[in-house]
This record gives sequence, C-alpha cells and structure tokens, in this order.
Amino acid sequence: SQTIHQWPATLVQPVGSPLSLECTVEGTSNPNLYWYRQAAGRGLQLLFYSVGIGQISSEVPQNLSASRPQDRQFILSSKKLLLSDSGFYLCAWSIGRQNTEAFFGQGTRLTVV
Amino acid sequence: AQSVTQLDSHVSVSEGTPVLLRCNYSSSYSPSLFWYVQHPNKGLQLLLKYTSAATLVKGINGFEAEFKKSETSFHLTKPSAHMSDAAEYFCVVSADMNYGGSQGNLIFGKGTKLSVKP
Repeated sequence: SQTIHQWPATLVQPVGSPLSLECTVEGTSNPNLYWYRQAAGRGLQLLFYSVGIGQISSEVPQNLSASRPQDRQFILSSKKLLLSDSGFYLCAWSIGRQNTEAFFGQGTRLTVV
Repeated sequence: AQSVTQLDSHVSVSEGTPVLLRCNYSSSYSPSLFWYVQHPNKGLQLLLKYTSAATLVKGINGFEAEFKKSETSFHLTKPSAHMSDAAEYFCVVSADMNYGGSQGNLIFGKGTKLSVKP
C-alpha cells in the first residue's frame, strides 16, 4: 500500500532563517506531488505541484521554492523566512490522471517568530 | 472555471442528531467531487468521492453524499453524529486541465467546522 511521510511535524523558526520541509511517498511510482499551505480560516492554497523529477510548477508567487530530486521526494524550501510564511503545510500525492483524489501527509505546523 | 462553495463555515449539532454539510460546485464539464475530513493539526483524510458513477456515494464513518447535477450540489450527510465527527470538512472539485487546471489539481472549498455537542 502507498504511504506518505512528511516531516517535521512542528517547526519554530526565526525570521530570516532558511527552511527545508521534506516529503516522501512509498509504494507508488511517478506520482504527482503537491505542496499546500493552510492558513488559519483560509482553506488550502496550492503552492507547488510536480508531475516528474525536476518538473516544478508554481501556483503563486512567494518566498518559497520546491524541488523534486527523486521520483518520490518533494522538498519545500526558503532561503529567508518571513512572518507571513507561518502556517500549516501539507504534502500530497496523486496518480498521474485527471479526476483522481489526492492523499495527504500529516502536515507541518510552521511558526515563524 | 471550476469553483466550490461551502455554504456554512461552522455547523453545530448534538450527538445522535443528523449532520448536513452543504456544498455547491461550479464546473464547465462533468467533475469529480470529493469530501475530506481534517482533525486538528492533522492531514486530510478522504471521506468519499464521486466520479460519475452512482449519484449517491457512501463513504467511511457512516457519511454519504448525493451528487445533484440540476442543483450543482454535493451535500454531505450522516444520520447520527458522533463526538468523534467533530472536525473540519472540505468539499473538493477536480480541476479541468483544459481550462487551466494543473494536472490532477483539486480545488478546495474553505471548509466547514463541525462541532458535536454531548
């Protein structure tokens, strides 16, 4: 069966520090991978998605970047965090076909102080 | 373009009473629709999905939803609420790749928080 791992679960970082959140998927090949951000009371916002190694699409301009160095690994990064980067970050995967559901990791609560 | 509207940001019910969480969608083609549940500080779990088969879809934990094309609705129901149902629920529509949707992208409603009183 497929599983998705996301870490760390919680993170407190000072403004201006770098960020690296990692997500890995097991039990499937060539998944679509996603990073979402969930801010309080604002629902889920798609940040990045990837349909293959090295292929990253950004949905919104921001202070963050994403990379996919391996087929089942998706990394969310920032060189310098802003207070507005605080939120709940969710990684997800789906099979590469339209109209299919996504499966989510347990999320990372990021607080920038 | 596709969109989804969850009509209530917060719903409160008593334990043992029915649950109704409302969702309306907008889509230029026949969409797939999903309901997800999220407990505090947890990831999202798929409750059920509609993909153009039976219009009444049964999911986990006793939830079900009915796809009504004429009303563009996909309301989530449960006959009897349990304390463990208290969570946030998201209605989701699949994006159409031909109308600017990214491959496999999902469009989320803003969520409905369900409170269950003892």
